[in-house]
Amino acid sequence: GAGVSQSPSNKVTEKGKDVELRCDPISGHTALYWYRQSLGQGLEFLIYFQGNSAPDKSGLPSDRFSAERTGGSVSTLTIQRTQQEDSAVYLCASSLVSSDTQYFGPGTRLTVL
Amino acid sequence: GENVEQHPSTLSVQEGDSAVIKCTYSDSASNYFPWYKQELGKGPQLIIDIRSNVGEKKDQRIAVTLNKTAKHFSLHITETQPEDSAVYFCAASITGYALNFGKGTSLLVTP
Repeated sequence: GAGVSQSPSNKVTEKGKDVELRCDPISGHTALYWYRQSLGQGLEFLIYFQGNSAPDKSGLPSDRFSAERTGGSVSTLTIQRTQQEDSAVYLCASSLVSSDTQYFGPGTRLTVL
Repeated sequence: GENVEQHPSTLSVQEGDSAVIKCTYSDSASNYFPWYKQELGKGPQLIIDIRSNVGEKKDQRIAVTLNKTAKHFSLHITETQPEDSAVYFCAASITGYALNFGKGTSLLVTP
């Protein structure tokens, strides 16, 4: 079946602009996760959704970062007033239930000029 | 929070040889340890995982061992093939949902 999909695959933006990154999880998966992969920090956990609720937002680096999930499916990660240090690959993963195997999407490469 | 150290950062082996990657973790409450393989331009793909109630798990050419006392776990790949070349990440989780990743090992298998 279809895996986790993310869009866009690449995003180039100017410093100070807002960006939205989208994740479509595997159909039927109730849990959804966002991670960030950068050269300096490796793979970092950002936020976890169970259904439409986010019980753990502890990894979001600042209040410029927010995420939502609607209909228990699609999720959007929004970064406001982007900074150069936000440049990274943003990965989304989903699992059938919480604490189950996480399946990753291909990521969105964000470049902030 | 949980800290995961991974070694080596790069590993080069000849086709047919074995490869071993080691990770240590800091929090004894960690109970889930997955390994992911990431090829260029793709997201990480789970290759094997182990939970803290098991000491070893094997799947064909891949095996993982866990030593809870020493807080370390290892990935073993036998009979390596060129298509095994990729970056491998270990992870540890206390919560079961937030994965704490190591920095990765770039494995190169030469024919």
